[in-house]
Amino acid sequence: DQQVKQNSPSLSVQEGRISILNCDYTNSMFDYFLWYKKYPAEGPTFLISISSIKDKNEDGRFTVFLNKSAKHLSLHIVPSQPGDSAVYFCAASARGANNLFFGTGTRLTVIP
Amino acid sequence: NAGVTQTPKFQVLKTGQSMTLQCAQDMNHEYMSWYRQDPGMGLRLIHYSVGAGITDQGEVPNGYNVSRSTTEDFPLRLLSAAPSQTSVYFCASKPPGLRPGGYTFGSGTRLTVV
Repeated sequence: DQQVKQNSPSLSVQEGRISILNCDYTNSMFDYFLWYKKYPAEGPTFLISISSIKDKNEDGRFTVFLNKSAKHLSLHIVPSQPGDSAVYFCAASARGANNLFFGTGTRLTVIP
Repeated sequence: NAGVTQTPKFQVLKTGQSMTLQCAQDMNHEYMSWYRQDPGMGLRLIHYSVGAGITDQGEVPNGYNVSRSTTEDFPLRLLSAAPSQTSVYFCASKPPGLRPGGYTFGSGTRLTVV
């Protein structure tokens, strides 16, 4: 059973606009959440993370929001750039665990 | 600094053949793991290791074996390949005590079993 879900397989946005990628999780033991970015023929690369003690974490154009009561997190990219076009994976881990559980990914296309 | 190196990048196997996917890291990371990526399934953990001589199963371990004789290397073995093992395989590593944001992934091995 998928513990981390990304229900939108794809998203297209215009350059300069906001991209919002969503993720839901079911395991209440998860306390650390991450977003990875993946280009074709490359491995995933870490983008941004958030601990469950926070509800927001910002890094430049990227902001992750966490709603623990809804078991939902989202990644905002503002402004979106063509170079942001990639597959974005949401991932989660539980306290004391090394292993990550990944969502199915959302393919973001930023249109120039 | 090479990071995590996976070989080969591409491989085609016949059903029933065996092979080893190689993974090596030069960052002295204790933790290493193997994931497979399938369409609509995301990345799923196959096996992992928290140090030399220690391995454990992940979500989808059936059909795969691993060993960890050195800190640097973590090979993944397919003893009798099946078409269901057609996938892209990623190796990842991280230092001890760091939350998973510290994962470094290799560039992947695309395996096709016919």
